[in-house]
Amino acid sequence: SQQGEEDPQALSIQEGENATMNCSYKTSINNLQWYRQNSGRGLVHLILIRSNEREKHSGRLRVTLDTSKKSSSLLITASRAADTASYFCATDGSPGGTSYGKLTFGQGTILTVHP
Amino acid sequence: DSGVTQTPKHLITATGQRVTLRCSPRSGDLSVYWYQQSLDQGLQFLIQYYNGEERAKGNILERFSAQQFPDLHSELNLSSLELGDSALYFCASSSHGGGEKLFFGSGTQLSVL
Repeated sequence: SQQGEEDPQALSIQEGENATMNCSYKTSINNLQWYRQNSGRGLVHLILIRSNEREKHSGRLRVTLDTSKKSSSLLITASRAADTASYFCATDGSPGGTSYGKLTFGQGTILTVHP
Repeated sequence: DSGVTQTPKHLITATGQRVTLRCSPRSGDLSVYWYQQSLDQGLQFLIQYYNGEERAKGNILERFSAQQFPDLHSELNLSSLELGDSALYFCASSSHGGGEKLFFGSGTQLSVL
């Protein structure tokens, strides 16, 4: 079963608006990562947040992590049509644990940004 | 370009057949991961190799096997193929064995007819 569950499954917005995607997970983690996938192509790493971090920024991306709620959110500000893609969260288990080193992906959020 | 090379890009074969997917990791990366992506199962972790040794195993079927060679390239072998094996198979690589970001190849689209 998937470790990360994403919400919403699909999001449709206009250019210039912000897009927020949420991810929940079940077990303790070492880090949580977000990836982007353009239709049928390889995944591209966006940002990594470690379990001892609460917030991280990279350009127009802002990621938060709440380990007490086992949840994370990805905010894309001032979205562009080129941001249209599927976005996945992925969790890496704690060192020494059985899930360490094998990223477990959620089902993803399909983001459509209309020009 | 992620630096991870997968071949072939597309593969069409029949049920019962055997195929080999190949992956060359980014230069210097020691870990290789294999993932399967399908509409119903999403992205499933199959197996990870680190410097030639199996490091972690996921939901990999017994009909599937993989290995990582001394030059660090990896192959995923799929045998006795079934219709349900049709999927996009990704290889990814990373510098070490865990706790870091992955670089994905562009995938091999496998169609079993």
